[in-house]
Amino acid sequence: IAGITQAPTSQILAAGRRMTLRCTQDMRHNAMYWYRQDLGLGLRLIHYSNTAGTTGKGEVPDGYSVSRANTDDFPLTLASAVPSQTSVYFCASSVEGRGTDTQYFGPGTRLTVL
Amino acid sequence: AQSVTQLDSHVSVSEGTPVLLRCNYSSSYSPSLFWYVQHPNKGLQLLLKYTSAATLVKGINGFEAEFKKSETSFHLTKPSAHMSDAAEYFCVVSEGYGGSQGNLIFGKGTKLSVKP
Repeated sequence: IAGITQAPTSQILAAGRRMTLRCTQDMRHNAMYWYRQDLGLGLRLIHYSNTAGTTGKGEVPDGYSVSRANTDDFPLTLASAVPSQTSVYFCASSVEGRGTDTQYFGPGTRLTVL
Repeated sequence: AQSVTQLDSHVSVSEGTPVLLRCNYSSSYSPSLFWYVQHPNKGLQLLLKYTSAATLVKGINGFEAEFKKSETSFHLTKPSAHMSDAAEYFCVVSEGYGGSQGNLIFGKGTKLSVKP
């Protein structure tokens, strides 16, 4: 069982370019999440999805969009990247979106926007 | 709104000595609380979680945490540190109550160093 996979592992991107970070889980979890991790700030939620076909905004959604066409995949798109989006991005999933559910994290994507 | 404060950004201990990582939370109701660990250049792994059952929660690798409502604390402890415990630790509170929608609020992290 792979759990959660993310691609790419790392990426350097020119400002203004479009970029999609991929996330796939094989645990048949209903809920999925995208976080960004910045030094000294912990993890902050960007977007989430409680089930295929639905998405919601987290704490820092501006500049990002997501889609959830099926249970397994939850891509994160930066329509026009800016340097402040340089960060490490983590995808996570949980059985449901309940407050008591454990979230399982992928290995992360390190993104640098120049 | 829920929030969580990790009181130390960096803790350094010697191998074989106790570990204490401090966390205080703010919540209008009894929250769900978690501790996650992140080793360098890795994803996050759940150490333990509290969801209104026993107040003393045991986790993996010998860690445990005690939920103290009167002190709004959820400190993480381990009797004897091992070199492999060197990592960053995150205290996390859930927004949701019981079975309701619950996005996670992360503390800023405590980096644990273990000296030989």
